[in-house]
Amino acid sequence: EDKVVQSPLSLVVHEGDTVTLNCSYEVTNFRSLLWYKQEKKAPTFLFMLTSSGIEKKSGRLSSILDKKELFSILNITATQTGDSAIYLCAVEGGANSKLTFGKGITLSVRP
Amino acid sequence: GAVVSQHPSWVICKSGTSVKIECRSLDFQATTMFWYRQFPKQSLMLMATSNEGSKATYEQGVEKDKFLINHASLTLSTLTVTSAHPEDSSFYICSATKEGTGPEKLFFGSGTQLSVL
Repeated sequence: EDKVVQSPLSLVVHEGDTVTLNCSYEVTNFRSLLWYKQEKKAPTFLFMLTSSGIEKKSGRLSSILDKKELFSILNITATQTGDSAIYLCAVEGGANSKLTFGKGITLSVRP
Repeated sequence: GAVVSQHPSWVICKSGTSVKIECRSLDFQATTMFWYRQFPKQSLMLMATSNEGSKATYEQGVEKDKFLINHASLTLSTLTVTSAHPEDSSFYICSATKEGTGPEKLFFGSGTQLSVL
């Protein structure tokens, strides 16, 4: 059974801190790993990773994938209160290329 | 960007009644839509894959007679929770794939919070 495990499950930091969110996975026929930010309702897309070692970057957020060790990290530097959200990791794979989501990491950034 | 509209955003109903949730792709045709369920502090759990013009594919453990899915057009999929009970109370969210998109593979609706009394 495909599995995606995120850690930590929740995190509280102060503005300006740097955080690292982890995602490990076990999936057959891996195709891609995606990160989403879920603030209130609908998750919004952050990154899609398919190759090991290539960092994707968007502003203060960056992410990288290690296909040998089967994990990805999402880094957020100089955190702001607006970064408070649930961060979801999903892996595309399996027989039907479906997405399997992790439980999400609840990040709270205090002023 | 593509927009997926989900309605209603929240609904309260009595036990035993049925509730219909709509998911529309507003500016693109979605041959495939997905229905998820999310409990508090839990992951999005895929319930079923909805393909236009054909029967939905349900995930293991999801009762197809209880969660009726209809994908009658390329822009609309509906999920009907039949004879709802308190244990069906959850956040339901749909998503749709847009053909030809790049990395942003899925477009999510804003979700429906269902509370069954």
